[in-house]
Amino acid sequence: AQSVTQLGSHVSVSEGALVLLRCNYSSSVPPYLFWYVQYPNQGLQLLLKYTSAATLVKGINGFEAEFKKSETSFHLTKPSAHMSDAAEYFCAVSDQGFYFGSGTKLNVKP
Amino acid sequence: NAGVTQTPKFQVLKTGQSMTLQCAQDMNHEYMSWYRQDPGMGLRLIHYSVGAGITDQGEVPNGYNVSRSTTEDFPLRLLSAAPSQTSVYFCASSKLAGASNEQFFGPGTRLTVL
Repeated sequence: AQSVTQLGSHVSVSEGALVLLRCNYSSSVPPYLFWYVQYPNQGLQLLLKYTSAATLVKGINGFEAEFKKSETSFHLTKPSAHMSDAAEYFCAVSDQGFYFGSGTKLNVKP
Repeated sequence: NAGVTQTPKFQVLKTGQSMTLQCAQDMNHEYMSWYRQDPGMGLRLIHYSVGAGITDQGEVPNGYNVSRSTTEDFPLRLLSAAPSQTSVYFCASSKLAGASNEQFFGPGTRLTVL
């Protein structure tokens, strides 16, 4: 079965600083990978997805993620954090169903 | 399109009561699924369906039933509610069961079992 590990349940950055949220997956074959964002009291919204077309994937709101097969990673980055980025972020891998990581809450300090 | 809709938004049950969480989508999506979200545990897959008449179990199916009589609707039934089922429930859908298709999520149902 697929599994996803997100390192760090809470990440805090200053406004304007680099955002790095980590995701590692376990899979014997290249998977389909996704990042979702959840704002308080809302459902999940797709940020970006990897489907093997390109290893560097650009998403909405200035986020991007790089697929590294050798490291089985799909880390999410944004060069400059904004206050509005404060939310919970989920990495997911797709097989028969979607399997989510435990989430990382991003706090952005003014 | 309304997308994925869920009712109710909030529900309080007593232990042993039964209820159905409703989920509907108007995007003609074949794949639908139910998740529960608990603090620190991400979203865990309860049941999913790859089309009308077809359902299957996910990671945490015990205590829940589903059916898929139409493409649009995918209700989740709690047979005898327990406090351990206190959670936020999300319904999601995607165009096909294929792995590259992203899922669209409903707004969630917050369930408390006393």
